[in-house]
Amino acid sequence: DGGITQSPKYLFRKEGQNVTLSCEQNLNHDAMYWYRQDPGQGLRLIYYSQIVNDFQKGDIAEGYSVSREKKESFPLTVTSAQKNPTAFYLCASTLQPGQGASQPQHFGDGTRLSIL
Amino acid sequence: SQKIEQNSEALNIQEGKTATLTCNYTNYSPAYLQWYRQDPGRGPVFLLLIRENEKEKRKERLKVTFDTTLKQSLFHITASQPADSATYLCALDGITGGGNKLTFGTGTQLKVEL
Repeated sequence: DGGITQSPKYLFRKEGQNVTLSCEQNLNHDAMYWYRQDPGQGLRLIYYSQIVNDFQKGDIAEGYSVSREKKESFPLTVTSAQKNPTAFYLCASTLQPGQGASQPQHFGDGTRLSIL
Repeated sequence: SQKIEQNSEALNIQEGKTATLTCNYTNYSPAYLQWYRQDPGRGPVFLLLIRENEKEKRKERLKVTFDTTLKQSLFHITASQPADSATYLCALDGITGGGNKLTFGTGTQLKVEL
């Protein structure tokens, strides 16, 4: 079955440590996204990528970094510069929309990051 | 600034009744609106998409309306069941600058009781 796999499901970060969240998809989707979800808030876009080797900042990119070396993979690194990293992180993918169209996003089941 | 509002209070209804959830937006002109379902500890799952020139869209027990004059979408679940209990998110897609960037509301929790 095609889908998006996020790992690990739970992750703990020590002060001053960088951690990397994995996101892999086998849907052959072009675009991939990272969101952050906090209690009582909507999903907020961190980074997105429409094509391999290219990505753009979302609304809250500070303290995060990404890479897109392969179509299937879009890892997110939470750096020590992100002072409030505790949150539920969601990865999504979608076909590249055609002109004037919209595509549904397919989500993984998230990684919950906590600070030790 | 752009704002999307969904009722933050949980909606409790009895099994068999119709649940109606509201999504209001301001300072935004979305070309499309999408609805998702999210269960605790899981990622959102896509349900329905409606275009700005469509008034209504249906899928099985689900119905979505989109009123660009009122800047509002209503999401209905008819003959609700306990299995429909979840948080429902609306998302606006302005198709600006490409990339299929969605702006999500905070979601409304629905509880269907026996």
